[in-house]
Amino acid sequence: EVQLVESGGDWVQPGGSLRLSCAASGFMFSDYWMSWVRQAPGKGLEWVANIKEDGSEKNDVDSVKGRFTISRDNAKNSLYLQMDSLSAEDTAVYFCAREKAYCTSTSCYLPGAFDIWGQGTLVTVSS
Amino acid sequence: SYELTQPPSVSVSPGQTATITCSGDKLGDRYVCWFQQKPGQSPVLVIFQDNKRPSGVPERFSGSNSGNTATLTISGTQAMDEADYYCQAWDSGTAVFGGGTRLTVL
Repeated sequence: EVQLVESGGDWVQPGGSLRLSCAASGFMFSDYWMSWVRQAPGKGLEWVANIKEDGSEKNDVDSVKGRFTISRDNAKNSLYLQMDSLSAEDTAVYFCAREKAYCTSTSCYLPGAFDIWGQGTLVTVSS
Repeated sequence: SYELTQPPSVSVSPGQTATITCSGDKLGDRYVCWFQQKPGQSPVLVIFQDNKRPSGVPERFSGSNSGNTATLTISGTQAMDEADYYCQAWDSGTAVFGGGTRLTVL
């Protein structure tokens, strides 16, 4: 079964740090771009960051630049999100998601669709 | 920054057709995905690449994208379709989500 399982969510004080993990199973993890997407309580979805199959390319949203770092360990089938200088605005459920390439009859394109999601892990930033 | 706009809410009677729109500048030039999210659950991909359905998604879900508007259509809406729906596209390597639409089946 294709599965993503996040862990590491916790309560942390403003200014603190946290490292989230996402364990992948049931598919060739090293063949896929991976993303983190978050959802603040009662709010919509916000993409956070993504990373290329081999970790050589990363992108992130402006609101986390310089504070969050996405990484992966293909030998461990794991995705990570190191979060530093956390603020209350970072309080959210964090989901990891697999990116499936868009394909036509002749070519495939990335970035693609978030086709598999984990169950999410809750990060609460509060004093 | 690129923005996608959805109506906050849409209501539909059981068995009728629900239409949820997503608007953005020249959105038709980009591929659009749609996600369904029920309370307390993770999002589920229901439409990708404008109009393709992942395996397991009922045929009553369909999508289109042209000009500045993408549309998710649910034909013969069922009570189980009541959920939040989000559109999503990519802009310069970053993913952008619409604000979400609460679909009520009543």
